[in-house]
Amino acid sequence: QKEVEQNSGPLSVPEGAIASLNCTYSDRGSQSFFWYRQYSGKSPELIMSIYSNGDKEDGRFTAQLNKASQYVSLLIRDSQPSDSATYLCAVPLNSGGSNYKLTFGKGTLLTVNP
Amino acid sequence: GAGVSQSPRYKVAKRGQDVALRCDPISGHVSLFWYQQALGQGPEFLTYFQNEAQLDKSGLPSDRFFAERPEGSVSTLKIQRTQQEDSAVYLCASSLRLSVSGNTIYFGEGSWLTVV
Repeated sequence: QKEVEQNSGPLSVPEGAIASLNCTYSDRGSQSFFWYRQYSGKSPELIMSIYSNGDKEDGRFTAQLNKASQYVSLLIRDSQPSDSATYLCAVPLNSGGSNYKLTFGKGTLLTVNP
Repeated sequence: GAGVSQSPRYKVAKRGQDVALRCDPISGHVSLFWYQQALGQGPEFLTYFQNEAQLDKSGLPSDRFFAERPEGSVSTLKIQRTQQEDSAVYLCASSLRLSVSGNTIYFGEGSWLTVV
């Protein structure tokens, strides 16, 4: 089982809709969770981090974390064509107390249609 | 510059050729990471430096891969006797501190390596 799993998509939503991106992880000890956005041919860019159970909102983005279910999601409200990108879920491995080695999912390709 | 700078951006190597990929992290960033990203996949960890010390090289796929950061700033990832399976984007990233918690990791644009 991969340590971080995402639906690879593609996920297609109309402009203005809510896009929902999901991620599960295998390490129960994980404490930090990150969502990166990667435009085609570009580098990953951090858009959200979450450390506690519940919701964290930043503008049109909401990250949701449920540690008991080992599940983290990203909601994008009022989706725009400029949100079209691959969204990567990343979790640091909990190996010997180290907290620097990010493990990424395969990414979900989101397309927002005008 | 303001961001992580990598060179070359694109490299085509013949199978068996050695390549060297350079990373210039954000000034003052202690931590430096190398990741490999194959087409359609997420980045995979290769190695990690804290200043000039290589603290973790567990992700390097074989002994053909070697990384260094001799003065704690610029880093070079070297791949000897390249193989077709080495074709990927090599991403360098840096951060101010060691832990990822509360600490943003900034990625460079990547070096796109194609082995023919």
